[in-house]
Amino acid sequence: GAVVSQHPSRVICKSGTSVKIECRSLDFQATTMFWYRQFPKQSLMLMATSNEGSKATYEQGVEKDKFLINHASLTLSTLTVTSAHPEDSSFYICSARAFQGASDTQYFGPGTRLTVL
Amino acid sequence: SQQGEEDPQALSIQEGENATMNCSYKTSINNLQWYRQNSGRGLVHLILIRSNEREKHSGRLRVTLDTSKKSSSLLITASRAADTASYFCATSGSARQLTFGSGTQLTVLP
Repeated sequence: GAVVSQHPSRVICKSGTSVKIECRSLDFQATTMFWYRQFPKQSLMLMATSNEGSKATYEQGVEKDKFLINHASLTLSTLTVTSAHPEDSSFYICSARAFQGASDTQYFGPGTRLTVL
Repeated sequence: SQQGEEDPQALSIQEGENATMNCSYKTSINNLQWYRQNSGRGLVHLILIRSNEREKHSGRLRVTLDTSKKSSSLLITASRAADTASYFCATSGSARQLTFGSGTQLTVLP
């Protein structure tokens, strides 16, 4: 099956710093990638939809200036958490939809655990 | 916002028993999918059932879909300790985005 990677897998940072998370589709091209956030013992909540070559679409309540998304190529989307605070600590998961996909199956990355001190 | 609820929130069974999880959703869908997540890890796609299908099988998994009741169930037969994980349903509608349910934490005791 298709493979999606995320880097880093785990990051600890100080409050006020910015953190960049990469999401890569390794063996297919993805015009659309999705970013989710998951708090402990909760479900995945969609943060934004990342479209290659255009601006991301953010879900209600998600600050676009705080969570910067760049989808510069068909295999890479990045999420930058700017001026991170302890309440941003969470598990961030990306997914990618195949470039030529009739199926709605999304391929998920392994997630990035962010801890803000 | 979350599409719907899953029940039970937590389920603990003995190895060899069957596990049934239910998912309810609120809006019309194109398909419904089930995912598995081990603690602190990413999601693994288990099975997809389309809105015009009523039942689907994959190995020890059986999924049903009742669009009139806006509900789905996932049955895992002959459970194993390795099946211990969180299970999420996710619906896909016209926007082709996935909306996840609240999840069921399954514990299979050896």
